[in-house]
Amino acid sequence: SQTIHQWPATLVQPVGSPLSLECTVEGTSNPNLYWYRQAAGRGLQLLFYSVGIGQISSEVPQNLSASRPQDRQFILSSKKLLLSDSGFYLCAWNLLGHPNTEAFFGQGTRLTVV
Amino acid sequence: AQKVTQAQTEISVVEKEDVTLDCVYETRDTTYYLFWYKQPPSGELVFLIRRNSFDEQNEISGRYSWNFQKSTSSFNFTITASQVVDSAVYFCALRSGGSGNTGKLIFGQGTTLQVKP
Repeated sequence: SQTIHQWPATLVQPVGSPLSLECTVEGTSNPNLYWYRQAAGRGLQLLFYSVGIGQISSEVPQNLSASRPQDRQFILSSKKLLLSDSGFYLCAWNLLGHPNTEAFFGQGTRLTVV
Repeated sequence: AQKVTQAQTEISVVEKEDVTLDCVYETRDTTYYLFWYKQPPSGELVFLIRRNSFDEQNEISGRYSWNFQKSTSSFNFTITASQVVDSAVYFCALRSGGSGNTGKLIFGQGTTLQVKP
C-alpha cells in the first residue's frame, strides 16, 4: 500500500534561518506531488506542485522554493524565513490518468518562525 | 475561476444529533471532481469521499451521506447520529478533470464541527 512520510512534525525556527521540509512517498511510481500551507485560521493554499523529477510549478510568489530530486521525494525550502512563513505545511500525492486517485496527505509540519 | 465556499464556519451540536455541512462550488469545467476531507486535531487531512461531476448519485457510508446536486452546484455532507469523535474541521475541495489538469485542489475555508457529549 502507499504511504506518505513528512518530517519534521514540528519546527521552531528564528527569522532569517533556512528551512528544509522533506516529504517522501512509498508504494507508487511517478506520483504528482504537492505542498500546501494552512495559515492560522483554516484555509489550505497550494504552494507548489510537481508532475515529475525536476519539474516544479509555483502557485503563489513567496519566500519559499521546492525541489524534486527523486521520483518520490519532494522538498520545501527557504533560504531566509520570514515571520509570515509560519503555518502548517502539508505534503500530498495523487495519480492522474489511470488510475485516477484522490490526493493523500502527510501528517504535516507545524512551523513557527520566531 | 474555481471556487469552493463553505459558509458555515463553526457548528456545534449535541451527540446523536444529525448535522449537515454545506459546500457550494464554482467551476466552468464540464469534468471535475469534488472531495470531502476531515482534519482531526492531529492535523492530517483524512480523505472521506470523491465524487465525479458526471455521477450525481448520492452516497451513504455508515453514518455519513453526501448529496451532490449539479443544478445548485452543491455537495453537502450529512453526519447522522453524530458522535464526539466526529469533532474536527471538515473541508470540501474541487479539482478539475480532463486532460492537462494538474490535480491541484481548491479548498473551501473549512467548517469546524464540535460535537458535545
